[in-house]
Amino acid sequence: GESVGLHLPTLSVQEGDNSIINCAYSNSASDYFIWYKQESGKGPQFIIDIRSNMDKRQGQRVTVLLNKTVKHLSLQIAATQPGDSAVYFCAENRDAGNMLTFGGGTRLMVKP
Amino acid sequence: KAGVTQTPRYLIKTRGQQVTLSCSPISGHRSVSWYQQTPGQGLQFLFEYFSETQRNKGNFPGRFSGRQFSNSRSEMNVSTLELGDSALYLCASSLGVGDGYTFGSGTRLTVV
Repeated sequence: GESVGLHLPTLSVQEGDNSIINCAYSNSASDYFIWYKQESGKGPQFIIDIRSNMDKRQGQRVTVLLNKTVKHLSLQIAATQPGDSAVYFCAENRDAGNMLTFGGGTRLMVKP
Repeated sequence: KAGVTQTPRYLIKTRGQQVTLSCSPISGHRSVSWYQQTPGQGLQFLFEYFSETQRNKGNFPGRFSGRQFSNSRSEMNVSTLELGDSALYLCASSLGVGDGYTFGSGTRLTVV
């Protein structure tokens, strides 16, 4: 993913709707991907991860989809709640140790 | 279990000074990584330590350095501070490569 600087893309959804946050990653050699949620004043919080030998993984209310052909990652949040409002980052690990490369982030706003 | 602890939470320094930030990883985690987060550049990898050895280094000047102690606690140091070093500095720990990374709440450094 590439940084988009100061102006984060924003996704605004209604409470109860499903949210889909997308991310394009840059290196076809990346073999491990993570989604993080960051709330104001806090560090990134792990949501879900997926390895390159999988194309889908589900957690509680969240699903990550990986399309290696087009180097695309998505995070689906079911029944979005106000507490889901935050900035979401995708990160890729390029098998050279614990070095994560982060995307620029997407701000999710949930309207009650 | 206790999470990743970073101290101090906030710091104000004058240009030209140096600063040391501390990170205590989750018990049992031997890998500690450091990241810089700014509105303009997003989250960028600084360096990673494993068993007291630096395994990876990001693209930052030599003014940024770190070390890891035998108990896995890590410190990072920034010398000759510049205004552009103002950022949130985040530490993440993990068991090993691709095992998931837990972030601390960060140290907010302001250089004036």
